[in-house]
Amino acid sequence: NAGVTQTPKFRVLKTGQSMTLLCAQDMNHEYMYWYRQDPGMGLRLIHYSVGEGTTAKGEVPDGYNVSRLKKQNFLLGLESAAPSQTSVYFCASRPRLAGLDTQYFGPGTRLTVL
Amino acid sequence: AQSVTQLDSQVPVFEEAPVELRCNYSSSVSVYLFWYVQYPNQGLQLLLKYLSGSTLVKGINGFEAEFNKSQTSFHLRKPSVHISDTAEYFCAVSVASGGSYIPTFGRGTSLIVHP
Repeated sequence: NAGVTQTPKFRVLKTGQSMTLLCAQDMNHEYMYWYRQDPGMGLRLIHYSVGEGTTAKGEVPDGYNVSRLKKQNFLLGLESAAPSQTSVYFCASRPRLAGLDTQYFGPGTRLTVL
Repeated sequence: AQSVTQLDSQVPVFEEAPVELRCNYSSSVSVYLFWYVQYPNQGLQLLLKYLSGSTLVKGINGFEAEFNKSQTSFHLRKPSVHISDTAEYFCAVSVASGGSYIPTFGRGTSLIVHP
């Protein structure tokens, strides 16, 4: 198993540009999450999904959109990037079964918006 | 809704000394508790978790944590740290039942081990 993978690992954007971050998991997990990590802020949830075709807003959803067209993929889109979106983005997944709440994290995408 | 407080943003310690990283949570229902570790330029890895049963939980790399329901705490301890333990540590809480899918993370504690 590859676990959770994220593409790309690094990206530099100019203000106003758009991009999509891809998260893929091969563990057949139902739940998937997108977080951003900023110094002193810990992890903040952007959006999450409890299953294929469903998404929901997290703590800091503004400026981001997501889609979960396939169970194994969770896409995070930035339509018009802003410098405030400079951050490290982590994807995570976990199974639905009670007692198996451990999240599995991807390696992260480091995004810089100039 | 649940919340997590990590009381120390940074904990410096000398190699081979003991360490305790503090975590307090608030929740009106039963919870699952986790500690994750993040090494520089990497994603988060599970260190240990409390789901039920014994309140003393042992994890990887010699770490352990104790669930204290009366004090709503889940402090992480290691009796003797190594340089390689230098990392960011995150406490997280998840509701044990009722359909909540969203774990809540603390802001992290940076453990810095000096030689």
